[in-house]
Amino acid sequence: KAGVTQTPRYLIKTRGQQVTLSCSPISGHRSVSWYQQTPGQGLQFLFEYFSETQRNKGNFPGRFSGRQFSNSRSEMNVSTLELGDSALYLCASSFGRGREQYFGPGTRLTVT
Amino acid sequence: SQQGEEDPQALSIQEGENATMNCSYKTSINNLQWYRQNSGRGLVHLILIRSNEREKHSGRLRVTLDTSKKSSSLLITASRAADTASYFCATDPNMNYGGSQGNLIFGKGTKLSVKP
Repeated sequence: KAGVTQTPRYLIKTRGQQVTLSCSPISGHRSVSWYQQTPGQGLQFLFEYFSETQRNKGNFPGRFSGRQFSNSRSEMNVSTLELGDSALYLCASSFGRGREQYFGPGTRLTVT
Repeated sequence: SQQGEEDPQALSIQEGENATMNCSYKTSINNLQWYRQNSGRGLVHLILIRSNEREKHSGRLRVTLDTSKKSSSLLITASRAADTASYFCATDPNMNYGGSQGNLIFGKGTKLSVKP
């Protein structure tokens, strides 16, 4: 069974721009969550989606948004990029709450 | 905010030795999961232990959970150089009325170095 895939793997953007990251979950998984990893803050939860509905949201500004499609694929968008948004963005999929979350390889975003 | 706190922050051992990492957390949990991460790459799921379980094994891995002390440990037996990585515990907190909250809360990890 194919794992979680994320595209692109690497991105370099300029302050003020916006970016869209994509995640394809493991086949059969309907839940997708997003996490941000930085050296200073570690791994922090961004969003949780299930059946196209956002069910939970972490403590991030409104510049961070996401959505999930009917095929369970998910995208997250960051608008008006700031230097502090440079991070590894990780997507995880699972069958649902309380189950194992399997992570993709991540998208490394660098904001200059 | 971080819920899990791994201990130690870094651990260096020789191949063949056992490695033990500990994790403490603060709130009621649905389950606790351990992950491995190699040099800023994706997280590899190792094991999930539910709040009503005390011990779980998977290959060379042994995980224990003590909900009364809000702590867990991961033991890797007969370590190999390929086990060199960062290890994270992640708690799945309960909602006020019970049931998973849906988000994992990670600790800062233990950096394990296994020397050949």
